[in-house]
Amino acid sequence: DTEVTQTPKHLVMGMTNKKSLKCEQHMGHRAMYWYKQKAKKPPELMFVYSYEKLSINESVPSRFSPECPNSSLLNLHLHALQPEDSALYLCASSPGLDNEQFFGPGTRLTVL
Amino acid sequence: GQNIDQPTEMTATEGAIVQINCTYQTSGFNGLFWYQQHAGEAPTFLSYNVLDGLEEKGRFSSFLSRSKGYSYLLLKELQMKDSASYLCAVRDRPYSGGYQKVTFGTGTKLQVIP
Repeated sequence: DTEVTQTPKHLVMGMTNKKSLKCEQHMGHRAMYWYKQKAKKPPELMFVYSYEKLSINESVPSRFSPECPNSSLLNLHLHALQPEDSALYLCASSPGLDNEQFFGPGTRLTVL
Repeated sequence: GQNIDQPTEMTATEGAIVQINCTYQTSGFNGLFWYQQHAGEAPTFLSYNVLDGLEEKGRFSSFLSRSKGYSYLLLKELQMKDSASYLCAVRDRPYSGGYQKVTFGTGTKLQVIP
């Protein structure tokens, strides 16, 4: 298995909802990432996990809560989001922090 | 912090060669990546340079000059499917022992025309 999968592909939620984005890889990669990408903008790093521990939090608001249950899974829990949080959320993984990253197809999130 | 510059858009003809430039300023350079991103899709890895020189991979080559803070991606024998955005991404380590971070440039949208 040589890919990163993300579910769901699309998500529409209200500002009072709680939802979760899921990411999975079975390549044995030890680093996993969450990025946010707005239209016509580059991906912006949100979180980095290395060996299932949070290594980097790029000053992301607490309404975004990451979780790494095991080395293959990465979740992003969403609560009380704002319309400006609507974006493509990309998950990526890499063998280690020094290696190229492999991206999943993303979840397109719309907050109403 | 980092400052990464790429041209916003480029147009090239099918079968031709195109060079996409990237300049950067960073305090602790530790590698440069090129990614391809088709509209509405995830970025896919193309190449990686950490030492000066040219890395060739099929129709794609990438060059790095660390002293000039400069890289380019060279695409040969252009095909229509090469129409996409090309993202330059720089990894740096702001301070010794600190974490490494990859920052993406705004991307160059390449249009290949017949």
